Amino acid sequence: QVQLQESGPGLVKPSETLSLTCTVSGDSIGSYYWTWLRQSPGKGLEWIGYSGNANYNPSLKSRVTISVDKSKNQFSLKMTSVTSADTAVYYCARAPGGGGWFGPWGQGTLVTVSS
Amino acid sequence: DIVMTQSPDSLAVSLGERATINCKSSQSVLYSSNNKNYLAWYQQKSGQPPKLLIYWASTRESGVPDRFSGSGSGTDFTLTISSLQAEDVALYYCQQYYSSPITFGQGTRLEIK
Repeated sequence: QVQLQESGPGLVKPSETLSLTCTVSGDSIGSYYWTWLRQSPGKGLEWIGYSGNANYNPSLKSRVTISVDKSKNQFSLKMTSVTSADTAVYYCARAPGGGGWFGPWGQGTLVTVSS
Repeated sequence: DIVMTQSPDSLAVSLGERATINCKSSQSVLYSSNNKNYLAWYQQKSGQPPKLLIYWASTRESGVPDRFSGSGSGTDFTLTISSLQAEDVALYYCQQYYSSPITFGQGTRLEIK
């Protein structure tokens, strides 16, 4: 059974870079696309982007990079120049079928942007 | 961007009764070349991540009870729970994957009456 677990700092200062890692167990990261999403009270669920094809949400594209480390079965999110608007619960998820629907999801990690 | 609008925002249904949640997209998510609707449904219980219920508008994910069903085509879609159980209390979201950026509805809160 595939499981995903997000990790990274829970507090990031404004203008700095948010870095999160998703560790995948029970599946090979090379077999699927993988994705990052976030959820905040103000903006609901928001898709950030996919691994594998550099397909990012245009609203975030200039600040986001998603990369894969096959040797560690992990994929990562980097988001630069963060502001308070980036405060959210960040989820990683598997994207079967080359993108589209998402499942399963990690438990999520809260990232707060504050000085 | 395709805007997904769900109705109602909240819904209270008696145990054993039918629950119906609607989702409307601002443009069609039906891809004519394969006749598939690029729409998914998720369930999110309190304190948990979303869980995939349905994709291609009507295909149930493995392990999802058959009381959950999806229907609709083009711009109008419905998630139906045929006989509401206590464990179905949750937020429900629709999502389109027809075009980038992928977008979600605002969510519908389902409670027990």
